[in-house]
Amino acid sequence: GENVEQHPSTLSVQEGDSAVIKCTYSDSASNYFPWYKQELGKRPQLIIDIRSNVGEKKDQRIAVTLNKTAKHFSLHITETQPEDSAVYFCAARGLYTSGTYKYIFGTGTRLKVLA
Amino acid sequence: GAVVSQHPSRVICKSGTSVKIECRSLDFQATTMFWYRQFPKQSLMLMATSNEGSKATYEQGVEKDKFLINHASLTLSTLTVTSAHPEDSSFYICSAREGLAGGLEQFFGPGTRLTVL
Repeated sequence: GENVEQHPSTLSVQEGDSAVIKCTYSDSASNYFPWYKQELGKRPQLIIDIRSNVGEKKDQRIAVTLNKTAKHFSLHITETQPEDSAVYFCAARGLYTSGTYKYIFGTGTRLKVLA
Repeated sequence: GAVVSQHPSRVICKSGTSVKIECRSLDFQATTMFWYRQFPKQSLMLMATSNEGSKATYEQGVEKDKFLINHASLTLSTLTVTSAHPEDSSFYICSAREGLAGGLEQFFGPGTRLTVL
């Protein structure tokens, strides 16, 4: 079945440094790739997303890149701050055989920004 | 932005009882809602996709007779955990896609923490 691999599982960076999280998906029909930030006990919050017809998207300190050929997409956070500490999930929108869509999540990355 | 609510936020029940969780889209219509389960320090695992007016589509390994899903209107989907057991204890989160045509973004509810004693 479809799956999304995410690396690393944990990441510690010094405040002000950059953080990069990478994901690989298996379903070539996937056409939408959101990234979520989840704090303990709370709902996932969308932080950035990218569609398959775009190679890169940036929103202030956060950027996402997509390589459709390699089925890779990555999250880049620059100038990290302690409040960026959380668990980050990538996801890919996949296709059921019925033609409807579903979202497959990566395994998550626990980011710690050290002050 | 689009708001999704869930009720209850927390429930504790005895083994063998059934628990119903509601997911509502408050300010938009959602033909499709998704139900996820999240164990501690793990990812969101899709359990099923709930379609208004039709049967839910369950992921492989999810028992449809144990996790009953009803999507009776464009703003409400319910998940009933039947004959709950301690291993069903988890964080259950729903999400909804906006619009009859189904937008790309999904909006999450706040989650329901189920503890089965």
